[in-house]
Amino acid sequence: GESVGLHLPTLSVQEGDNSIINCAYSNSASDYFIWYKQESGKGPQFIIDIRSNMDKRQGQRVTVLLNKTVKHLSLQIAATQPGDSAVYFCAENALSGGYNKLIFGAGTRLAVHP
Amino acid sequence: DTGVSQNPRHKITKRGQNVTFRCDPISEHNRLYWYRQTLGQGPEFLTYFQNEAQLEKSRLLSDRFSAERPKGSFSTLEIQRTEQGDSAMYLCASSPSRGTNQPQHFGDGTRLSIL
Repeated sequence: GESVGLHLPTLSVQEGDNSIINCAYSNSASDYFIWYKQESGKGPQFIIDIRSNMDKRQGQRVTVLLNKTVKHLSLQIAATQPGDSAVYFCAENALSGGYNKLIFGAGTRLAVHP
Repeated sequence: DTGVSQNPRHKITKRGQNVTFRCDPISEHNRLYWYRQTLGQGPEFLTYFQNEAQLEKSRLLSDRFSAERPKGSFSTLEIQRTEQGDSAMYLCASSPSRGTNQPQHFGDGTRLSIL
């Protein structure tokens, strides 16, 4: 299948290690953020979201941290597995007319090595 | 499968031809979005439907592009007189209409290649 993110920054980790993927967003008025995982040939898959009134949110093996002061998001993946290899995008909500118009970041490729 | 469904998965056509893509959203989702993604980039917003009403169109959507959602269920995206620069992955997403902060769920896209 086709490749997603041929020229994206890459984070290489060993299987079992923790991964941290960072993202800077642009609009200080954004109030909702989502992390997506995209595997080659597939659409973005929802991982976790966070609202701007929170600093941290945890899911299964994933944690999202939000620092509104510096407009920074991070995604932490615990005990990274080979199946976590993919391109990860953060997206911020540009609220327009009462709906979510998502603006995506550039993406980071996560490569998990055995 | 109750996710967002897109057809076809791949479309190869000659420059100047018209193409049409279909998106079937998650059944209880009233909001439907189209995005375009090129290699190495994140998805870019194209247009948005609330039920059958098209409420927003990006300036990326030239006059050659048209989208419809006639019965508020499935949607179609048509590109007329295709150009090389139209080669991309076209993604559809849907979300519930309750509240503003609801995640959008994506289909696996239609990959368009213009020869």
